[in-house]
Amino acid sequence: GAGVSQSPSNKVTEKGKDVELRCDPISGHTALYWYRQSLGQGLEFLIYFQGNSAPDKSGLPSDRFSAERTGGSVSTLTIQRTQQEDSAVYLCASSPRVLTGARNYGYTFGSGTRLTVV
Amino acid sequence: GNSVTQMEGPVTLSEEAFLTINCTYTATGYPSLFWYVQYPGEGLQLLLKATKADDKGSNKGFEATYRKETTSFHLEKGSVQVSDSAVYFCALIIYNQGGKLIFGQGTELSVKP
Repeated sequence: GAGVSQSPSNKVTEKGKDVELRCDPISGHTALYWYRQSLGQGLEFLIYFQGNSAPDKSGLPSDRFSAERTGGSVSTLTIQRTQQEDSAVYLCASSPRVLTGARNYGYTFGSGTRLTVV
Repeated sequence: GNSVTQMEGPVTLSEEAFLTINCTYTATGYPSLFWYVQYPGEGLQLLLKATKADDKGSNKGFEATYRKETTSFHLEKGSVQVSDSAVYFCALIIYNQGGKLIFGQGTELSVKP
């Protein structure tokens, strides 16, 4: 597609429920990233995927968080048993290639999913 | 480790004022440097970038020069407009250390008419 697409744009869920957030990267971009933007906390790296390599999960805050990327394209971030502190904007980004692409072009970000846990 | 530090906001300026937002970094390798902008209610957009020392990135009247000797990448604009009101993020990527983009904490800019 023309840009990085995320869905839903807004999600309100009850504490304890599971949620799935979707990211559709730019066609042909091999690297995909998830970040979390919390009020007053800045941008927090969660996970990134690069081609067929094992993902870097070092930023996931707990084992309630997981992500997968199917067929090297669409990615889903899943949060199990949501807590109120999970409320944030979840941003997805993609870049042409991890090393040369990201270094030279940066990332293209989606508009994010605003998650509210009540 | 690798990190980015920005001047704290919010920064409030009058229209046509000169803008500087300071950004310094620490890096264990050779970084590429970026400024991203987030307008109210929107996602992050790449504003400008520089991939090696002494490079100057520029876009929409904004400029930033990669200063290796001072490990800085300060954002400047000669005359700000109300439409420049946004949050600005400085960021880096380390070559050969994966593609993780490391952000500063963001600086909110408010421009008054």
